[in-house]
Amino acid sequence: GEDVEQSLFLSVREGDSSVINCTYTDSSSTYLYWYKQEPGAGLQLLTYIFSNMDMKQDQRLTVLLNKKDKHLSLRIADTQTGDSAIYFCAEIPTSGAGSYQLTFGKGTKLSVIP
Amino acid sequence: DGGITQSPKYLFRKEGQNVTLSCEQNLNHDAMYWYRQDPGQGLRLIYYSQIVNDFQKGDIAEGYSVSREKKESFPLTVTSAQKNPTAFYLCASLDRAYNYGYTFGSGTRLTVV
Repeated sequence: GEDVEQSLFLSVREGDSSVINCTYTDSSSTYLYWYKQEPGAGLQLLTYIFSNMDMKQDQRLTVLLNKKDKHLSLRIADTQTGDSAIYFCAEIPTSGAGSYQLTFGKGTKLSVIP
Repeated sequence: DGGITQSPKYLFRKEGQNVTLSCEQNLNHDAMYWYRQDPGQGLRLIYYSQIVNDFQKGDIAEGYSVSREKKESFPLTVTSAQKNPTAFYLCASLDRAYNYGYTFGSGTRLTVV
């Protein structure tokens, strides 16, 4: 089956870097995404990376892609209390490409300790 | 401002009732999606629609129904056949022209009382 795997919890101190990891299943996935969900809210697209890239940086966010291992990571520099949320990794697997169906991981809950 | 509006934010359903969750977008997106979110289970696809008057079942369509009579609107009905409807429901639309990223609504929390 198609599963995107993430660890469920991560706890970091304010000011430290956070690294959230994800393993995806479909090596043909063209786009890979990171979404953020705050309590009681919808999902907000944080960033995305094309499969032909190894790295993408956007202000405090760095996305690393290892296609060989099908591993995606999100690094948040200088983590703030406002970064506390659930972070979802997502891909569009080849089987869902025609309908652009995203497959989500179960989410990593990031807790930032002041 | 463009976006997706879901209503109501909270909804309570009695046993045996059908309820309808509203999803409206003014982004001119063709594709729309309904997801169900349960704690610790991530998001699961209920139904999706790529164009008006057409929709497809997702992974957990049983007990749900949808319609797509207008591009802007994609309502979800939770029927009495859905035995465990208590969950957070998220609607999304897709801009195929820009990295295929979904735009999500703010969600509806449905509780069976």
